[in-house]
Amino acid sequence: GENVEQHPSTLSVQEGDSAVIKCTYSDSASNYFPWYKQELGKRPQLIIDIRSNVGEKKDQRIAVTLNKTAKHFSLHITETQPEDSAVYFCAAEGYSTLTFGKGTMLLVSP
Amino acid sequence: NAGVMQNPRHLVRRRGQEARLRCSPMKGHSHVYWYRQLPEEGLKFMVYLQKENIIDESGMPKERFSAEFPKEGPSILRIQQVVRGDSAAYFCASSQPGQNTEAFFGQGTRLTVV
Repeated sequence: GENVEQHPSTLSVQEGDSAVIKCTYSDSASNYFPWYKQELGKRPQLIIDIRSNVGEKKDQRIAVTLNKTAKHFSLHITETQPEDSAVYFCAAEGYSTLTFGKGTMLLVSP
Repeated sequence: NAGVMQNPRHLVRRRGQEARLRCSPMKGHSHVYWYRQLPEEGLKFMVYLQKENIIDESGMPKERFSAEFPKEGPSILRIQQVVRGDSAAYFCASSQPGQNTEAFFGQGTRLTVV
């Protein structure tokens, strides 16, 4: 089955800095890669996703890049703010299910 | 649209009891997924169901765990004879038919086994 590795497990940045989270996947048939944000005690919520027919997607301060050849994808957050502090999960969809990475705890200090 | 509804939000069971977790998908969604989240860990896939069918249960423990999604009513995740190691947050997600569609999560059920 699909295996998704996510790094780093924790990331501390100063407000205004950029944050980058990286994921790799194993199943070359995967073609959908969403990113979820989970605040403490709350449900995971989709923040951005990318499909295999594009290499990059941007939504305001958030961007995701995908390298299908290397089987890795990354989340980029620019001009971080304290409210960006949360756990971020990457995921890859294989045959029918979403497989998640173990998550990255992002801490943005004012 | 009320979103994905899970109940109860919190469930306490003694060792050996049964736990039943319910999930009502969003309106129009016929696909349901169950995930388990242990403290400071990721979301581990358990089972994927469509109405009246289990599509993929590769993440379900072989014993004590079962899931269903009947034609009418919510999806149920059932854990028999719970043990302390079953304590976790259980999240349900739903999506529309088809691949590459967004999965919406419920608020989760936090199961504590005492």
